[in-house]
Amino acid sequence: DQQVKQNSPSLSVQEGRISILNCDYTNSMFDYFLWYKKYPAEGPTFLISISSIKDKNEDGRFTVFLNKSAKHLSLHIVPSQPGDSAVYFCAASRTTQGGSEKLVFGKGTKLTVNP
Amino acid sequence: GAVVSQHPSWVICKSGTSVKIECRSLDFQATTMFWYRQFPKQSLMLMATSNEGSKATYEQGVEKDKFLINHASLTLSTLTVTSAHPEDSSFYICSASNRGGISDTQYFGPGTRLTVL
Repeated sequence: DQQVKQNSPSLSVQEGRISILNCDYTNSMFDYFLWYKKYPAEGPTFLISISSIKDKNEDGRFTVFLNKSAKHLSLHIVPSQPGDSAVYFCAASRTTQGGSEKLVFGKGTKLTVNP
Repeated sequence: GAVVSQHPSWVICKSGTSVKIECRSLDFQATTMFWYRQFPKQSLMLMATSNEGSKATYEQGVEKDKFLINHASLTLSTLTVTSAHPEDSSFYICSASNRGGISDTQYFGPGTRLTVL
């Protein structure tokens, strides 16, 4: 059962335009969401996160939006740059008394930003 | 900050041998370390969670006797793939977190590419 879904395996955008990566989840207990960026043969790099008490978090060119009622989150990259080309993973976890439980990852979306 | 290293970055071994992979948090104390495996075009699959000084918690379907995990200190965890077989060939990634708050972020190592001949 895929609890975190990234339905678009790939996305191609033009440099300078907006990239929108989407992620859906099924477990309503998830309350912490993260986006990771991964280059081939490297480990994922933390990009941005959002707690379920917020609906938006912004960090420079990256903004994550959370719609709890739709169990949907998205990552916006504006403006997109060729160096943003990578695989982006959405991950979710839930908070327990001892801290966050394990991260559940989506399958990733490969973003290609064309010059 | 929050740098995690892995060693080796790649390893090729013969079937039946054991391979040890190290994961180190370089600039913070990692109370919890995680080991993941990633097959081509697949998501990261959590194998086990280890807390410093205690036994690792393995995910369903992961053989604890085959994938030995040791988290001897707050900055080092090791994964040993025992009696490796070609189907164990994969990209192994560790992550580390410091559970100082309610929601913690995992910081990942660069990964280790294991090829078993």
